[in-house]
Amino acid sequence: DTGVSQDPRHKITKRGQNVTFRCDPISEHNRLYWYRQTLGQGPEFLTYFQNEAQLEKSRLLSDRFSAERPKGSFSTLEIQRTEQGDSAMYLCASGRQGNSPLHFGNGTRLTVT
Amino acid sequence: GEDVEQSLFLSVREGDSSVINCTYTDSSSTYLYWYKQEPGAGLQLLTYIFSNMDMKQDQRLTVLLNKKDKHLSLRIADTQTGDSAIYFCAEDGNKLVFGAGTILRVKS
Repeated sequence: DTGVSQDPRHKITKRGQNVTFRCDPISEHNRLYWYRQTLGQGPEFLTYFQNEAQLEKSRLLSDRFSAERPKGSFSTLEIQRTEQGDSAMYLCASGRQGNSPLHFGNGTRLTVT
Repeated sequence: GEDVEQSLFLSVREGDSSVINCTYTDSSSTYLYWYKQEPGAGLQLLTYIFSNMDMKQDQRLTVLLNKKDKHLSLRIADTQTGDSAIYFCAEDGNKLVFGAGTILRVKS
């Protein structure tokens, strides 16, 4: 497999701007997750898709965050009206059906100035 | 709720064994995982253990699981400088819950 791909690798934006990140999971994986990781911490769960259905959202995911997976393949994560506290690494992971291991992409590092 | 705790830092000499410890809270976890993260990169799946196993060995890696105490450990034999990274333990439910990570520093 080609692995989980995330784009862009780095994004610098000014406070108040909107940003969108993309994740392409491993092709036969129907589960897709978004995590956020800040310096010195482990990844924190944001949201989870099974195919195109968004099954769970963390309380960390404020109204400014929205994620989609329209055709059950790639996913986008949009942050509106970015704040400095949104600066983090955003990680995408995918997995097969059931409790199989998750495979992570290299992440998108967001810096809000 | 779910919670995973790890020691923050471990320093070893090249060639020695490293043991990274983790405690978790969700006794319903089916699998427990170890991931490795190098600077600026995503998480690389190292190994995982099914919850009804006590031990799993995979080349230089040995995972021990004490389900009664909810304790998981990762032993790296013959630690190399390339093993320097952050190691995360994670428990599963319908999503992975991660610890804060253990920084492994290997001195040559």
